[in-house]
Amino acid sequence: GENVEQHPSTLSVQEGDSAVIKCTYSDSASNYFPWYKQELGKGPQLIIDIRSNVGEKKDQRIAVTLNKTAKHFSLHITETQPEDSAVYFCAAIGDDYKLSFGAGTTVTVRA
Amino acid sequence: NAGVTQTPKFQVLKTGQSMTLQCAQDMNHEYMSWYRQDPGMGLRLIHYSVGAGITDQGEVPNGYNVSRSTTEDFPLRLLSAAPSQTSVYFCASSYDEGTEAFFGQGTRLTVV
Repeated sequence: GENVEQHPSTLSVQEGDSAVIKCTYSDSASNYFPWYKQELGKGPQLIIDIRSNVGEKKDQRIAVTLNKTAKHFSLHITETQPEDSAVYFCAAIGDDYKLSFGAGTTVTVRA
Repeated sequence: NAGVTQTPKFQVLKTGQSMTLQCAQDMNHEYMSWYRQDPGMGLRLIHYSVGAGITDQGEVPNGYNVSRSTTEDFPLRLLSAAPSQTSVYFCASSYDEGTEAFFGQGTRLTVV
């Protein structure tokens, strides 16, 4: 099955700075890479996703990049705001069609 | 349109007790799944279903049973609760395996 590793486990940034979270995956057949945001006491919610035929995707202050050769993908948040404070999970779907999650990154945006 | 609804939100069980965590979705999604979330371990797949009448095991299935008699409902049964099953449980649904998963609000289970 798929194995997804995520770094760092915690990230503290000053408001207005950028935040970057990196993930690696093991299954070269994986073709779908979503990112989820989880606020306290709530379920994870999709914020952006990318498929293997695309190298980069942007949505306002959020962007995701994918390097299939190196089997890693990253989440970039620019101009961070206090409401960006949350736990972020990367995930990947392998050839077993099961969604595997990274361990999560707790992001804290300091005012 | 409620999305994915989980009940209960909180539950305390004694070791050896059994219970069912309920999950219902109103989006007509074929794919449903159960995850458990433990500190530092992300979300781990317990069981999943690709449609009514079809279920399969995920990464950590031991101690849990599921059934899928309708498209809308996917209950998770704990047969004999153990302290190691103390966790937050999330149900999710999606149109299929490679599309956005919608999560419920979670059930926080404590086994004493």
